[in-house]
Amino acid sequence: DTEVTQTPKHLVMGMTNKKSLKCEQHMGHRAMYWYKQKAKKPPELMFVYSYEKLSINESVPSRFSPECPNSSLLNLHLHALQPEDSALYLCASSQDPASGRFNEQFFGPGTRLTVL
Amino acid sequence: AQKVTQAQTEISVVEKEDVTLDCVYETRDTTYYLFWYKQPPSGELVFLIRRNSFDEQNEISGRYSWNFQKSTSSFNFTITASQVVDSAVYFCALSEVGFGNEKLTFGTGTRLTIIP
Repeated sequence: DTEVTQTPKHLVMGMTNKKSLKCEQHMGHRAMYWYKQKAKKPPELMFVYSYEKLSINESVPSRFSPECPNSSLLNLHLHALQPEDSALYLCASSQDPASGRFNEQFFGPGTRLTVL
Repeated sequence: AQKVTQAQTEISVVEKEDVTLDCVYETRDTTYYLFWYKQPPSGELVFLIRRNSFDEQNEISGRYSWNFQKSTSSFNFTITASQVVDSAVYFCALSEVGFGNEKLTFGTGTRLTIIP
């Protein structure tokens, strides 16, 4: 299995809703990432988990709450979002942060989120 | 600070023509990695190539070729005999080295349309 999967593919939510995005990989990768991509813009890094611990938070608002329950799974919990949070949310993983070698990131297909 | 510039916002060519996508980068690091990713309309980012700063050899993979020139801080991507399936947004990216959690700095992307 050489892919990163993301569910759901599409999500529409109101500003008072609570929802979660899910990302899964079974490549044995130990680093996982969340990116946000607005239309016609490049992806922007939100969070990085390394060995299930949060290692990078790019000053993301607290209405986005990441969780890494195990090495294969990464969640992004959403609460009280704003319409400007509508975007494509991409998950990525890379192999071994402790290897000392460079590890390229493999991306999932994304979840297209619309906040009404 | 790192920066990646893709000056070409949109390019359209007729099928079977060759096309070159430009990428210019800025970094103060002496060791770094450069990437190209393809993002088709379906949304996922597809990894195309990685090049480290010590390897200036050009690379060819089928119809794709890459020209890395440190002297001009450029990492250009050429598609030979373009096909409709090449239509996508292409991102050039630069990464800091180390720590295992590589942070990618993306360019703004070039939207390539191949006209049948």
